Amino acid sequence: QQQVKQSPQSLIVQKGGISIINCAYENTAFDYFPWYQQFPGKGPALLIAIRPDVSEKKEGRFTISFNKSAKQFSLHIMDSQPGDSATYFCAASTAGRRALTFGSGTRLQVQP
Amino acid sequence: NAGVTQTPKFQVLKTGQSMTLQCAQDMNHNSMYWYRQDPGMGLRLIYYSASEGTTDKGEVPNGYNVSRLNKREFSLRLESAAPSQTSVYFCAMRTGGADTQYFGPGTRLTVL
Repeated sequence: QQQVKQSPQSLIVQKGGISIINCAYENTAFDYFPWYQQFPGKGPALLIAIRPDVSEKKEGRFTISFNKSAKQFSLHIMDSQPGDSATYFCAASTAGRRALTFGSGTRLQVQP
Repeated sequence: NAGVTQTPKFQVLKTGQSMTLQCAQDMNHNSMYWYRQDPGMGLRLIYYSASEGTTDKGEVPNGYNVSRLNKREFSLRLESAAPSQTSVYFCAMRTGGADTQYFGPGTRLTVL
């Protein structure tokens, strides 16, 4: 059972455009929602994270929007740059051991 | 991937062979994790360790064993490798009380 569903699988955006990746979760016990960025041949690196007590968090060009009632959250990348081309994973965890449940990933390509 | 080292980086095994993947951290984190990454499926938890001498199964533990003999190191062992274990394996760590997991650079394993 896939507890975190991510879409789209791939995304092509022009330089300067907005990239939007969406995730939906099922387990209402999740209380921490990070986004990871992964470049080819590298491990995932934390990009930004949010807790369900806030509806939005912004760090530079990256924003998480969170809708607790809909059990959905999304990543917005403003002014997308070719250097943002990578695979992005949403994830979620519960209190305790904090094991991450990942979405299936979105491969983002930003064209110059 | 600062603070987390994984060895080897690449490995090719024949079906039935055994091997141990090593993970070491130098940041005094309590919690350590092993994940596997397969195309189109995100990362899935294999095993988790909250502290030295304690381990717990994750989502996909079959065919694996782990060992946490000290705080720094968390090893993953394949006793009899199968082609289905072809994957990229990531070790991650987390400080107790914090939410963020930091990932190592990964081990790419191919089982023929």
